[in-house]
Order: sequence, then C-alpha cells, then structure tokens
Amino acid sequence: ELKVEQNPLFLSMQEGKNYTIYCNYSTTSDRLYWYRQDPGKSLESLFVLLSNGAVKQEGRLMASLDTKARLSTLHITAAVHDLSATYFCAVDRGVNNDMRFGAGTRLTVKP
Amino acid sequence: DSGVTQTPKHLITATGQRVTLRCSPRSGDLSVYWYQQSLDQGLQFLIQYYNGEERAKGNILERFSAQQFPDLHSELNLSSLELGDSALYFCASSPFAGDLYEQYFGPGTRLTVT
Repeated sequence: ELKVEQNPLFLSMQEGKNYTIYCNYSTTSDRLYWYRQDPGKSLESLFVLLSNGAVKQEGRLMASLDTKARLSTLHITAAVHDLSATYFCAVDRGVNNDMRFGAGTRLTVKP
Repeated sequence: DSGVTQTPKHLITATGQRVTLRCSPRSGDLSVYWYQQSLDQGLQFLIQYYNGEERAKGNILERFSAQQFPDLHSELNLSSLELGDSALYFCASSPFAGDLYEQYFGPGTRLTVT
C-alpha cells in the first residue's frame, strides 16, 4: 500500500529564514504534487513534478523530486508571513489514479 | 477563485440520512475528482470521473456514489450517514483524464452529521 510521509508536521520559523519540508513515499511513483491550504480554505496547486530530477520554482518556494530515493522536498527561501499555511504533498501511484496525500505540514512564519 | 463551484457550502444532517453534494467544474474541464478531508483520515481521494465515465476509484465507501452528467457537473451522494462521515468534501477539476494535469479545487462542502 502506498504510504506518504511528510515531515515535519509542524514548523514554526522566523521571517527571512530558510527551511525544507520533506515528503517520503513508499512505492514507485514519478508523479508528485504539492498543494497549499490556508485555514478554512480550499487547496491550491503549487507544483506538479512528473519525472526524476524535476525541479520547479515559484517565488520563494522550490520543489524537487528524486524518484530513486522516493523523496520530494519543498524548500522555502527567506520565509515571509504570507507563506503561513498547511502544505500537502500527494503521490500518484499510477495505478487506478490512486492519489495519496501526506498528513500536511503546518507552517507558521513569525515576524 | 479556481472556477470550480460547489454547493451547498455547509450541510447539517442526522445519522442515517442521505445527502447530495454538487460540483461544477471549470469551464472546459472534463475531469472531476472528489476528495474527503477529515481530522481523523486527513485528505483522501474518493473518485474521479472523466467526460461522464468513472475513471478511478480511491477510498470511497459503498454507501457513497457519484456521477457526472452530460453538462459535466458532478454529484456525490452520501447515504446512511454516520457521525464519522462529518468532513469537508472537495471536488476538483482538470482539463483531461490524466494525472499530468494540475487540478483546480472548489471551495468545499462542510458536512456535519449529528
């Protein structure tokens, strides 16, 4: 069964600092997604990573995928308060389009 | 605003009842996905429809069913409701059937079963 683990689950960081959220998954997949969810809101797609070595960047966020290590990272550069949200990774096993989500990382950026 | 609409926003009902959640995808999108988000189970993929046909099934209970109509809107039917079905239900849409495409999420329907 496909399992997706994110860590940390809670992250409190100061503005201007860098940090990385990790997403490990248990079975072979080359399709990984990152989403953002603000409190009480819906999910917003951040990145779609479709191959080994894929790297995508948008503003202060950069996501990468290593399919051999079954690991994706979401790197935050020079955090700002507006990045405070919960971040989910999701992995598509490619079988029956079964997508599994991580538990989410609740990020709080403090001034 | 993603362009995906869901109704109703909130729904309160009693155990044993049946409810229908509605989703209208973004204009031109052919795929609709349903997800459940709860504190216990986190985010779970339920089911996907593409152009009226069921495309993929996730952790959807037998008490739940869905369909996509010719105008591409979709409905999720939840029956014999239990307290544990209380959750936020999202639908999402994408242009095509494959998993290569970004999904756009609706605002969700919050279901409370009492």
